[in-house]
Amino acid sequence: AQSVTQLGSHVSVSEGALVLLRCNYSSSVPPYLFWYVQYPNQGLQLLLKYTSAATLVKGINGFEAEFKKSETSFHLTKPSAHMSDAAEYFCAVIRDSNYQLIWGAGTKLIIKP
Amino acid sequence: DAGVIQSPRHEVTEMGQEVTLRCKPISGHNSLFWYRQTMMRGLELLIYFNNNVPIDDSGMPEDRFSAKMPNASFSTLKIQPSEPRDSAVYFCASSLGGLLAGEDDENNEQFFGPGTRLTVL
Repeated sequence: AQSVTQLGSHVSVSEGALVLLRCNYSSSVPPYLFWYVQYPNQGLQLLLKYTSAATLVKGINGFEAEFKKSETSFHLTKPSAHMSDAAEYFCAVIRDSNYQLIWGAGTKLIIKP
Repeated sequence: DAGVIQSPRHEVTEMGQEVTLRCKPISGHNSLFWYRQTMMRGLELLIYFNNNVPIDDSGMPEDRFSAKMPNASFSTLKIQPSEPRDSAVYFCASSLGGLLAGEDDENNEQFFGPGTRLTVL
């Protein structure tokens, strides 16, 4: 069975600092992995996805994530945080045989001025 | 395309009343998902349709919840009777993909609607 673990329900960084949001997965088959972002009072929006084409995936708004099979990780990073990045971020993996997503619990990113 | 459309955006009702949430998926998408989001339980998948057929409804909390997809462009989620613990944000999402992982990678992205914020008093 597949599962997703996001380390840290809240992450706080200063504006301009590196953003690192952690995601570890368990999967018996090569996974499809996703990061979604949810801004306050809005739906979820796809940031980026890993589909085995490249281990370093670039997404919108300057975010990227690196798939590391040996570590079963898919951490999300951004070199320099901006106030507009304050949101909740969800990591997800495709379930084995259909298009259902298995969701992490989410990490709220707080940006300090 | 207008994206996934949900209505109403906000619903306030009294305990015991029937609530119907509506969703229009993106045209041409084959899969539709209903989610519930609360502070306590996070994001939960309630039900998943593929080609208008319910594939997995194991996330539906109880018999008070029902969902239908009469055609490819419309789905409803009904709660009858509603209870205060049903208060949450309900999201609808659609994707182009079907049942098989491993199909075209571009098909498995889920597009979310803006959600319906339900408050049951």
